[in-house]
Amino acid sequence: NAGVTQTPKFRVLKTGQSMTLLCAQDMNHEYMYWYRQDPGMGLRLIHYSVGEGTTAKGEVPDGYNVSRLKKQNFLLGLESAAPSQTSVYFCASKDYSYEQYFGPGTRLTVT
Amino acid sequence: GQSLEQPSEVTAVEGAIVQINCTYQTSGFYGLSWYQQHDGGAPTFLSYNALDGLEETGRFSSFLSRSDSYGYLLLQELQMKDSASYFCAGLGGGFQKLVFGTGTRLLVSP
Repeated sequence: NAGVTQTPKFRVLKTGQSMTLLCAQDMNHEYMYWYRQDPGMGLRLIHYSVGEGTTAKGEVPDGYNVSRLKKQNFLLGLESAAPSQTSVYFCASKDYSYEQYFGPGTRLTVT
Repeated sequence: GQSLEQPSEVTAVEGAIVQINCTYQTSGFYGLSWYQQHDGGAPTFLSYNALDGLEETGRFSSFLSRSDSYGYLLLQELQMKDSASYFCAGLGGGFQKLVFGTGTRLLVSP
């Protein structure tokens, strides 16, 4: 049981490049989330999904897109990366309980 | 908007008791969660208060008062491994979304 996994662990992008972050969970959870965490700050919700085929905007959705084509996967896309998107990105999932399970994070640097 | 405020840093010694406060500026939260995050690691769930009052889980307890828009996390018998950041998070959005607080860095010294 791997829990929540994220790919890649680290990435460096140049301004204007695009990339996709992959989140996978093997717990059959309905809900999945993408957060960003900037130094010394809490987590801010980017987008989330309440089930396969659904997505919704969180607090800071601008510059990001998501897709949930399969229940176990939640993809986060950056179409044109900006230095302001330098951050640590966490994926999380949950079932119908209160606990969210987090992945190990992806450290993204945009130069 | 929705915001949850916490002290930025708390220091304590091994074996002591420490309380981390969380005040929030919104209505509509169904409850309050607490997460722990070690440096370089992922947040991990500690507790959830659905109702007012105290919830106890081992060395950790969490309290919620909706009328005061206030909660706290109480850590007893502190150990060095408790040095980490602690986040409160309000559950909203139809039980679907968390709004995280600013986080409190706890430093435990020998």
